[in-house]
This record gives sequence, C-alpha cells and structure tokens, in this order.
Amino acid sequence: NAGVTQTPKFQVLKTGQSMTLQCAQDMNHNSMYWYRQDPGMGLRLIYYSASEGTTDKGEVPNGYNVSRLNKREFSLRLESAAPSQTSVYFCASSDPRGGGTEAFFGQGTRLTVV
Amino acid sequence: GQQLNQSPQSMFIQEGEDVSMNCTSSSIFNTWLWYKQDPGEGPVLLIALYKAGELTSNGRLTAQFGITRKDSFLNISASIPSDVGIYFCAGNPNTNAGKSTFGDGTTLTVKP
Repeated sequence: NAGVTQTPKFQVLKTGQSMTLQCAQDMNHNSMYWYRQDPGMGLRLIYYSASEGTTDKGEVPNGYNVSRLNKREFSLRLESAAPSQTSVYFCASSDPRGGGTEAFFGQGTRLTVV
Repeated sequence: GQQLNQSPQSMFIQEGEDVSMNCTSSSIFNTWLWYKQDPGEGPVLLIALYKAGELTSNGRLTAQFGITRKDSFLNISASIPSDVGIYFCAGNPNTNAGKSTFGDGTTLTVKP
C-alpha cells in the first residue's frame, strides 16, 4: 500500500518552461489536494478536488492548472514556470466519507525555476 | 480567508524537556489537526480533534481542542532527538470535509 505517490521528486525548470506534476493515491479517497510549501509560510492550498470530476481553486491558484484524471490521479500543471514558483509541492488525499478530515501527504516534489 | 497563528515559530530544547506549542484562529473551527514533518518528507498526522474541549493523547503527545473552538495546543513530554521536525496545526470548519487551513509551523530542535 503506497499511499500517495508523487513524481518527479526533484525538477529544475527554466523560466517559461512547462511541466506537469503527477500524483496518485491508492487509498480510494474521494478528495485530493495540491499544496505548496515555502520556508516559514506553512502549506498553502493551490487547488483541490472534492471528488472525481470536480476541481476548485485554493488560496494561491494563479499560474497553475489541475486535472482530476480519475479517482486515483490528480495532476498539477505549470504552463509557463516563473522563479516565484520555486517551492516544494505536496499532493494529499483524504476521505471525508470516513468521517474525518485527515489528509495523507506524498513525499513532495522539489521544484526550482531558474 | 481564515488565518491561523502558530507559535512559537521555533524552539530549541534539551532532550528530556517538555514542549508546548499552540495555534489560534480568527474563525471557529470544528476540527483541529496536528501534523509532524520530518526533513525531506511530507507531513504526517499526529492527532485529530473533533470536539471542543477534547483532550487526546498519542504516546508522549497530548493535544487539546480549545473550548472557544478558536485555538488548540500540542504538548510533547520528555522530548527525544527523533522529535526534531516541523509541527503544523491545521483547522477545518467542517468535520467531514477536507480543505484544512495550515499554520506556518513550529520548528523543533532537540539537543542531546
């Protein structure tokens, strides 16, 4: 049981390049999330998907797009990377049907935009 | 939007000491969660609280859901070196839906 798996783990992009961060969970959770973590700023929500087929903006959505490909997979796309998007990105999932709000996190993708 | 103030920002303690950290919110939450993040890893849930006034323990960790529903506290007793990491609080206005708001974290350093 792998939990939440993110790929890649590390990435360096040049300004203006595009890329997609992949996330998959094997816990049959309905809800999935993308956060970014910057030093001293905690975790800020970029986008979330309450269930398959739905996505909503979080606190810092500008410069990002998401796709909930199916129940397992939720991808984050940077169309034109900027240095301000240098960060650690975490995908998470949760299952509100279980009566809780606890999120399970992946190991993160460390992205540097030069 | 909802804001969480987590304090202290960092702590440097001696092994064996007790630790306290807290979070306060400008809004009422119906769920408080405490996570720990080890270096290079994603956050892992330590304790979940769902009822005002609730006091819950997980080994040497004890967390409380404030009676006003606007704050929560995490205590670690008899700290050990592996307690090192970043501790995050998270609040949620719901009890059965995601999208929690996270505090900025408390970085704990334990000196042997």
